[in-house]
Amino acid sequence: AQSVTQLGSHVSVSEGALVLLRCNYSSSVPPYLFWYVQYPNQGLQLLLKYTSAATLVKGINGFEAEFKKSETSFHLTKPSAHMSDAAEYFCAVSVFNDYKLSFGAGTTVTVRA
Amino acid sequence: DAGVTQSPTHLIKTRGQHVTLRCSPISGHKSVSWYQQVLGQGPQFIFQYYEKEERGRGNFPDRFSARQFPNYSSELNVNALLLGDSALYLCASSPPPGLKAKNIQYFGAGTRLSVL
Repeated sequence: AQSVTQLGSHVSVSEGALVLLRCNYSSSVPPYLFWYVQYPNQGLQLLLKYTSAATLVKGINGFEAEFKKSETSFHLTKPSAHMSDAAEYFCAVSVFNDYKLSFGAGTTVTVRA
Repeated sequence: DAGVTQSPTHLIKTRGQHVTLRCSPISGHKSVSWYQQVLGQGPQFIFQYYEKEERGRGNFPDRFSARQFPNYSSELNVNALLLGDSALYLCASSPPPGLKAKNIQYFGAGTRLSVL
């Protein structure tokens, strides 16, 4: 079975500062990895995905993530935080031919002016 | 194109009652998955349907059931509601299987269920 662990349930950053959200995965076969964002009272929006192509993945809203097999990690970064980035972020894992997504517990991001 | 649509958006029920939640997938998508998101936690997988057949089931009791219709829309049913069933229920649809599908799931806005 696959699983992900998100380190840090809350992250607070200043506007314009680096955003770094950590995700480590566990999978016995090559994984597919995803980051989703959830704004208050809304569903999940796909930010980016790793599906065994380039290890550095660029997503929407200036976010990117790097797949590191040796570290079983898929950390999410954004060079400069914006107030609109305040939301909850979820890392998720799946494997080929299995549409089930296994989510982490989430990281809440707050952005200080 | 319309995204995944879910109805109703909010629902209040009392313990012991039954509830039906509805989901319409993105046009062309034949797979629908259901997730439960309890406040403060990540979504938990409940069911996945593809071409009207159940493909997977998470660790949920038999009070939870689902079905998929010929137009690929889906219903999630929960019987004998408990207080612990209060959650956001999310539906997701996936493009047809293939090299490009890559298990990508697109989520609706969810149905907020409160059990009193």
